[in-house]
Amino acid sequence: EAGVTQSPTHLIKTRGQQATLRCSPISGHTSVYWYQQALGLGLQFLLWYDEGEERNRGNFPPRFSGRQFPNYSSELNVNALELEDSALYLCASSPLWTGEAFFGQGTRLTVV
Amino acid sequence: AQKVTQAQTEISVVEKEDVTLDCVYETRDTTYYLFWYKQPPSGELVFLIRRNSFDEQNEISGRYSWNFQKSTSSFNFTITASQVVDSAVYFCALSEANSGNTPLVFGKGTRLSVIA
Repeated sequence: EAGVTQSPTHLIKTRGQQATLRCSPISGHTSVYWYQQALGLGLQFLLWYDEGEERNRGNFPPRFSGRQFPNYSSELNVNALELEDSALYLCASSPLWTGEAFFGQGTRLTVV
Repeated sequence: AQKVTQAQTEISVVEKEDVTLDCVYETRDTTYYLFWYKQPPSGELVFLIRRNSFDEQNEISGRYSWNFQKSTSSFNFTITASQVVDSAVYFCALSEANSGNTPLVFGKGTRLSVIA
Protein backbone atom coordinates (compact mmCIF):
# COMPACT_ATOMS: atom_id res chain seq x y z
CA GLU A 1 0.00 0.00 0.00
CA ALA A 2 1.36 3.40 -0.97
CA GLY A 3 2.14 5.81 1.80
CA VAL A 4 1.57 9.55 1.87
CA THR A 5 3.24 11.09 -1.16
CA GLN A 6 4.25 14.70 -1.54
CA SER A 7 5.43 16.64 -4.55
CA PRO A 8 7.71 18.19 -5.40
CA THR A 9 10.51 16.96 -3.17
CA HIS A 10 12.37 20.23 -3.48
CA LEU A 11 11.15 23.65 -4.58
CA ILE A 12 13.12 26.83 -5.02
CA LYS A 13 11.28 30.12 -5.36
CA THR A 14 12.15 33.76 -5.19
CA ARG A 15 10.73 36.17 -2.65
CA GLY A 16 7.28 37.39 -3.61
CA GLN A 17 6.41 34.38 -5.76
CA GLN A 18 3.78 31.76 -5.03
CA ALA A 19 4.44 28.12 -4.17
CA THR A 20 2.10 25.17 -4.54
CA LEU A 21 2.76 21.96 -2.67
CA ARG A 22 0.80 18.76 -3.20
CA CYS A 23 -0.07 15.81 -1.04
CA SER A 24 -1.73 12.47 -1.76
CA PRO A 25 -2.97 10.70 1.36
CA ILE A 26 -3.00 7.00 2.01
CA SER A 27 -5.94 5.36 0.29
CA GLY A 28 -8.98 5.46 2.56
CA HIS A 29 -7.71 8.34 4.69
CA THR A 30 -10.00 11.36 4.67
CA SER A 31 -8.01 13.76 6.85
CA VAL A 32 -4.95 15.66 5.65
CA TYR A 33 -2.71 17.79 7.84
CA TRP A 34 0.00 20.24 6.88
CA TYR A 35 2.93 21.10 9.11
CA GLN A 36 5.85 23.48 8.69
CA GLN A 37 9.24 22.49 10.04
CA ALA A 38 11.51 25.50 9.94
CA LEU A 39 15.03 25.30 11.28
CA GLY A 40 15.04 25.64 15.04
CA LEU A 41 11.25 25.99 15.31
CA GLY A 42 10.12 22.39 15.43
CA LEU A 43 6.92 21.21 13.79
CA GLN A 44 4.24 23.87 13.56
CA PHE A 45 0.67 22.94 12.65
CA LEU A 46 -0.58 24.76 9.56
CA LEU A 47 -3.88 23.35 8.30
CA TRP A 48 -6.24 20.42 8.72
CA TYR A 49 -8.65 19.27 6.03
CA ASP A 50 -11.25 16.58 6.33
CA GLU A 51 -13.93 15.62 3.82
CA GLY A 52 -13.04 18.60 1.70
CA GLU A 53 -13.40 21.19 4.43
CA GLU A 54 -10.91 23.15 6.48
CA ARG A 55 -11.32 21.92 10.08
CA ASN A 56 -8.61 23.81 11.86
CA ARG A 57 -5.90 26.32 11.17
CA GLY A 58 -2.65 27.08 12.94
CA ASN A 59 -1.25 30.48 13.75
CA PHE A 60 -0.15 31.40 10.25
CA PRO A 61 -1.01 34.41 8.07
CA PRO A 62 -3.75 34.16 5.40
CA ARG A 63 -1.19 33.89 2.61
CA PHE A 64 -0.92 30.26 3.69
CA SER A 65 -3.96 28.54 2.26
CA GLY A 66 -4.98 25.23 0.83
CA ARG A 67 -7.73 22.96 -0.23
CA GLN A 68 -8.72 19.33 -0.32
CA PHE A 69 -10.06 17.70 -3.44
CA PRO A 70 -12.85 15.10 -3.76
CA ASN A 71 -10.23 12.34 -3.94
CA TYR A 72 -8.86 13.65 -0.58
CA SER A 73 -5.59 14.86 -2.04
CA SER A 74 -4.59 18.33 -0.93
CA GLU A 75 -2.73 21.42 -2.02
CA LEU A 76 -0.94 23.94 0.12
CA ASN A 77 -0.48 27.37 -1.40
CA VAL A 78 1.87 29.98 -0.06
CA ASN A 79 1.52 33.42 -1.59
CA ALA A 80 3.91 36.36 -1.47
CA LEU A 81 6.76 34.16 -0.34
CA GLU A 82 9.11 35.48 2.31
CA LEU A 83 12.59 34.27 3.14
CA GLU A 84 11.39 32.86 6.46
CA ASP A 85 8.97 30.57 4.64
CA SER A 86 11.96 28.40 3.80
CA ALA A 87 11.25 25.13 5.57
CA LEU A 88 10.34 21.49 5.24
CA TYR A 89 6.60 21.18 4.71
CA LEU A 90 5.18 17.90 5.89
CA CYS A 91 1.83 16.45 5.00
CA ALA A 92 0.13 13.73 7.05
CA SER A 93 -3.04 11.74 6.63
CA SER A 94 -5.24 9.72 8.94
CA PRO A 95 -8.52 7.84 8.58
CA LEU A 96 -11.11 10.26 9.98
CA TRP A 97 -9.32 10.42 13.29
CA THR A 98 -7.64 7.46 14.88
CA GLY A 99 -4.83 9.45 16.39
CA GLU A 100 -2.28 7.93 14.06
CA ALA A 101 -1.08 10.46 11.55
CA PHE A 102 1.13 9.04 8.81
CA PHE A 103 3.57 11.49 7.29
CA GLY A 104 4.98 11.96 3.83
CA GLN A 105 8.62 12.62 3.08
CA GLY A 106 8.05 16.36 2.87
CA THR A 107 8.67 19.17 0.43
CA ARG A 108 11.70 21.31 1.11
CA LEU A 109 10.87 24.86 0.09
CA THR A 110 13.71 27.31 -0.30
CA VAL A 111 12.95 30.98 -0.81
CA VAL A 112 15.81 33.06 -2.18
CA ALA B 1 -3.71 25.16 25.97
CA GLN B 2 -1.88 22.03 25.05
CA LYS B 3 1.90 21.97 25.19
CA VAL B 4 4.67 19.41 24.85
CA THR B 5 8.13 19.93 26.29
CA GLN B 6 11.18 17.94 25.36
CA ALA B 7 13.87 19.45 27.54
CA GLN B 8 16.72 17.49 25.98
CA THR B 9 17.77 19.19 22.77
CA GLU B 10 20.58 16.78 21.92
CA ILE B 11 21.82 13.52 23.40
CA SER B 12 24.91 11.60 22.42
CA VAL B 13 25.52 8.02 23.52
CA VAL B 14 27.90 5.24 22.67
CA GLU B 15 26.47 2.23 20.91
CA LYS B 16 24.89 -0.36 23.24
CA GLU B 17 24.15 2.19 25.93
CA ASP B 18 20.58 2.67 27.10
CA VAL B 19 19.08 6.12 26.60
CA THR B 20 15.87 7.76 27.82
CA LEU B 21 14.18 10.62 26.02
CA ASP B 22 11.99 12.77 28.22
CA CYS B 23 8.59 14.20 27.34
CA VAL B 24 6.37 16.34 29.56
CA TYR B 25 2.97 17.50 28.41
CA GLU B 26 0.29 19.96 29.46
CA THR B 27 -3.40 19.63 28.76
CA ARG B 28 -6.71 20.44 30.42
CA ASP B 29 -8.52 17.63 28.63
CA THR B 30 -9.17 14.36 30.41
CA THR B 31 -9.08 12.48 27.13
CA TYR B 32 -6.02 12.83 24.99
CA TYR B 33 -3.49 10.89 22.94
CA LEU B 34 0.28 10.88 23.21
CA PHE B 35 2.66 9.91 20.44
CA TRP B 36 6.29 9.40 19.64
CA TYR B 37 7.69 9.87 16.14
CA LYS B 38 11.16 9.31 14.74
CA GLN B 39 12.62 11.58 12.06
CA PRO B 40 15.70 10.11 10.39
CA PRO B 41 17.92 12.28 8.17
CA SER B 42 15.65 11.55 5.20
CA GLY B 43 13.06 13.82 6.83
CA GLU B 44 10.02 11.57 6.90
CA LEU B 45 8.33 11.24 10.29
CA VAL B 46 7.96 7.61 11.33
CA PHE B 47 5.16 6.74 13.75
CA LEU B 48 6.40 4.78 16.77
CA ILE B 49 3.59 4.64 19.31
CA ARG B 50 0.23 6.05 20.35
CA ARG B 51 -1.06 5.98 23.90
CA ASN B 52 -4.46 7.21 25.09
CA SER B 53 -4.92 8.94 28.41
CA PHE B 54 -6.81 6.06 29.98
CA ASP B 55 -4.12 3.52 29.38
CA GLU B 56 -1.16 3.98 31.70
CA GLN B 57 0.23 0.56 31.08
CA ASN B 58 3.85 0.74 29.99
CA GLU B 59 4.70 -0.76 26.65
CA ILE B 60 7.71 -2.57 25.29
CA SER B 61 8.42 -3.18 21.63
CA GLY B 62 11.77 -4.83 21.05
CA ARG B 63 14.45 -2.42 22.22
CA TYR B 64 11.90 0.37 22.66
CA SER B 65 9.88 0.99 25.80
CA TRP B 66 7.58 3.76 26.93
CA ASN B 67 6.75 4.92 30.45
CA PHE B 68 3.49 6.88 30.75
CA GLN B 69 2.84 8.56 34.11
CA LYS B 70 -0.22 10.79 34.39
CA SER B 71 0.78 11.89 37.88
CA THR B 72 3.81 13.69 36.46
CA SER B 73 2.36 14.32 32.97
CA SER B 74 5.25 12.49 31.42
CA PHE B 75 5.60 10.04 28.55
CA ASN B 76 9.23 9.00 28.40
CA PHE B 77 10.84 6.83 25.75
CA THR B 78 13.73 4.45 26.41
CA ILE B 79 15.93 2.76 23.84
CA THR B 80 17.80 -0.21 25.21
CA ALA B 81 21.17 -1.23 23.75
CA SER B 82 21.19 1.67 21.31
CA GLN B 83 22.40 1.21 17.76
CA VAL B 84 23.80 3.63 15.19
CA VAL B 85 20.56 3.27 13.20
CA ASP B 86 18.72 4.82 16.13
CA SER B 87 20.37 8.15 15.36
CA ALA B 88 17.55 10.53 14.52
CA VAL B 89 15.40 13.32 15.89
CA TYR B 90 12.63 12.03 18.11
CA PHE B 91 9.42 13.96 18.62
CA CYS B 92 6.80 13.60 21.31
CA ALA B 93 3.30 14.83 20.40
CA LEU B 94 -0.11 15.36 21.97
CA SER B 95 -3.65 15.47 20.64
CA GLU B 96 -6.56 16.55 22.82
CA ALA B 97 -9.86 14.76 22.42
CA ASN B 98 -12.45 16.05 24.91
CA SER B 99 -14.37 18.05 22.34
CA GLY B 100 -13.32 16.53 19.07
CA ASN B 101 -9.84 15.50 18.19
CA THR B 102 -7.27 18.20 17.60
CA PRO B 103 -4.24 18.13 15.35
CA LEU B 104 -0.99 16.94 16.85
CA VAL B 105 1.06 19.40 18.85
CA PHE B 106 4.73 18.49 18.84
CA GLY B 107 7.59 19.08 21.17
CA LYS B 108 10.72 20.60 19.69
CA GLY B 109 12.37 17.21 19.40
CA THR B 110 15.46 15.54 20.80
CA ARG B 111 18.35 14.81 18.46
CA LEU B 112 19.89 11.46 19.37
CA SER B 113 23.34 10.59 18.11
CA VAL B 114 24.56 7.04 18.65
CA ILE B 115 28.29 6.71 18.19
CA ALA B 116 29.85 3.43 17.14
